[in-house]
Amino acid sequence: AQKVTQAQTEISVVEKEDVTLDCVYETRDTTYYLFWYKQPPSGELVFLIRRNSFDEQNEISGRYSWNFQKSTSSFNFTITASQVVDSAVYFCALPVLGVSNYQLIWGAGTKLIIKP
Amino acid sequence: NAGVTQTPKFQVLKTGQSMTLQCAQDMNHNSMYWYRQDPGMGLRLIYYSASEGTTDKGEVPNGYNVSRLNKREFSLRLESAAPSQTSVYFCASSEGDTYNEQFFGPGTRLTVL
Repeated sequence: AQKVTQAQTEISVVEKEDVTLDCVYETRDTTYYLFWYKQPPSGELVFLIRRNSFDEQNEISGRYSWNFQKSTSSFNFTITASQVVDSAVYFCALPVLGVSNYQLIWGAGTKLIIKP
Repeated sequence: NAGVTQTPKFQVLKTGQSMTLQCAQDMNHNSMYWYRQDPGMGLRLIYYSASEGTTDKGEVPNGYNVSRLNKREFSLRLESAAPSQTSVYFCASSEGDTYNEQFFGPGTRLTVL
């Protein structure tokens, strides 16, 4: 089966705490990409990052960092010194081969609540 | 640039009614997508179009039809709405295929009574 699992349905932390969102995937492909998207309370989805399976180096962008580990099929997302504006639902996604082309399958999302 | 626009933002239908959700993008993207988002679930692909004139089924195509009118516009039609189609619908576009970043519209919240 090819799927994406985000086991954490909801996480609540106090502002300035660090928080890690988990993403575990299953794929038959030997090379693949993984994505993270953010959905703030306004509802629109916003792209955060794309990583390919060739590159397992951690990615850091400001307060955001991503830890990709093929050995455990995980692509986890950490927010350092969280802020109230980070409150959103975060999705992990994986392209899989559909009927005739690749299409994204999405995890169920993790709702992150940052309390002031 | 407006990015990806969708109309309407909200819609209430009765079972059996039909309607068309409109989507347009001004980024000159080849690929366009229609997703639905249900509570507690991630997005599920309904249909996508890799280029003008082509459409393909996604994970949940039953009960829907699509039209790629031109490079800019991709519409989703519900011929006979059912309560199970109550959902939030998102249109998206990308420059290339599924491996590229997708840009999303604001969504349409549809309720079928």
